[in-house]
Amino acid sequence: EMHLLESGGNLVQPGGSLRLSCTASGFTFSNYAMSWVRQAPGKGLEWVSTMSGNRLYTDYADSVQGRFTVSRDNSRNTLYLQLTSLRAEDAATYYCAKGDVPGALHYFDLWGRGTLVTVSS
Amino acid sequence: EIVLTQSPATLSLSPGETATLSCRASQSVNNYLAWYQQRPGQAPRLLMYDASNRATGIPIRFTGSGSGTDFTLTISNLEPEDFAVYYCQQRSSSWTFGQGTKVEIK
Repeated sequence: EMHLLESGGNLVQPGGSLRLSCTASGFTFSNYAMSWVRQAPGKGLEWVSTMSGNRLYTDYADSVQGRFTVSRDNSRNTLYLQLTSLRAEDAATYYCAKGDVPGALHYFDLWGRGTLVTVSS
Repeated sequence: EIVLTQSPATLSLSPGETATLSCRASQSVNNYLAWYQQRPGQAPRLLMYDASNRATGIPIRFTGSGSGTDFTLTISNLEPEDFAVYYCQQRSSSWTFGQGTKVEIK
């Protein structure tokens, strides 16, 4: 059975940093693009970042460009998101999501349960 | 950025009724549109992709239609587990989501 498990969420002060992790199981991790999608409390979904399976392609939402960095370790089946210069508006549950087809990312067909990032002094 | 606008914001219906949800794109996304369901306290779940294709394991009471800028998700014979928030998402240009429609029990 395919599974994604996020970790690393925490309370952090404005301007601080955090690294999120997402560990995958049940599928060939390196074949699929992986993404981060966030959801502020009581709000909708916002795509944050994507990395291709071969790590050659990355993309970011304008709201996080230059502050967040996505990476992955295919030997560990793990996706990461480094968050820096955090702002109050970055507070959200961060979901890890799997791309639906090998070698491409069209839609998100598997989601983790999310990890909560709180930004407050 | 392609903006997706969902309507209505909230739909109040009874079990057994039919829900009709709308998603409008600010420019054409061809048929590159998906629908997700999010139950309280849970992660989103892919329901439909490329506007009208059901994802694996999705019941036939869920139907998607549309192309270009106007899309519809229809849920026939609402079951108790269908009361949730539904999001549309486009992949034509990067990835964006609509703001969601909540289907609540009347």
